[in-house]
Amino acid sequence: DTGVSQDPRHKITKRGQNVTFRCDPISEHNRLYWYRQTLGQGPEFLTYFQNEAQLEKSRLLSDRFSAERPKGSFSTLEIQRTEQGDSAMYLCASSLVLAGSGELFFGEGSRLTVL
Amino acid sequence: QKEVEQDPGPLSVPEGAIVSLNCTYSNSAFQYFMWYRQYSRKGPELLMYTYSSGNKEDGRFTAQVDKSSKYISLFIRDSQPSDSATYLCALGGNHSWGKLQFGAGTQVVVTP
Repeated sequence: DTGVSQDPRHKITKRGQNVTFRCDPISEHNRLYWYRQTLGQGPEFLTYFQNEAQLEKSRLLSDRFSAERPKGSFSTLEIQRTEQGDSAMYLCASSLVLAGSGELFFGEGSRLTVL
Repeated sequence: QKEVEQDPGPLSVPEGAIVSLNCTYSNSAFQYFMWYRQYSRKGPELLMYTYSSGNKEDGRFTAQVDKSSKYISLFIRDSQPSDSATYLCALGGNHSWGKLQFGAGTQVVVTP
């Protein structure tokens, strides 16, 4: 399968713990995005990378959140000192943006439950 | 007021009927429009992507965009029980391609 891959699919943690999610984009896609989705809502943009450069971050991405994309391939999203309000589905998407456009393909998501 | 409004449903239709979904938006900076289908506890799956006003057809799916009215629609012909899912509209501007503004999604139930 050559789609966007996310790991783990589900993470249960206690409040205050750190968690990390990994995303492997579609091969050769130059852009990678992180979104967050809560129950009954559409996904909300968090951040995106052009190759290894993080180009934009939403105000939703507090200082407890950090995302990296070393070498422009896979990406990680770390949440430090988790809070119950962080419980959500974290979605990764990738696209091949040429001449300013390209379709976005999402992974299956990583569901976070903070107890 | 949200930037993108979408009726949450649920929208229940009999098998074979036409499903009509729509979103309205307020920001004229949105220039491209996507429709995603999302099954429960799964990631969104891209159905349609369009950049301009007018119609775009792909199999049983037709997307319509009316930029002057800030109104977009998705029609599903000959609906099947497997079409039962949540349908999300997603809008983006030319700046920061891929930074999408999603609607809340409409739940569709197609009954046999």
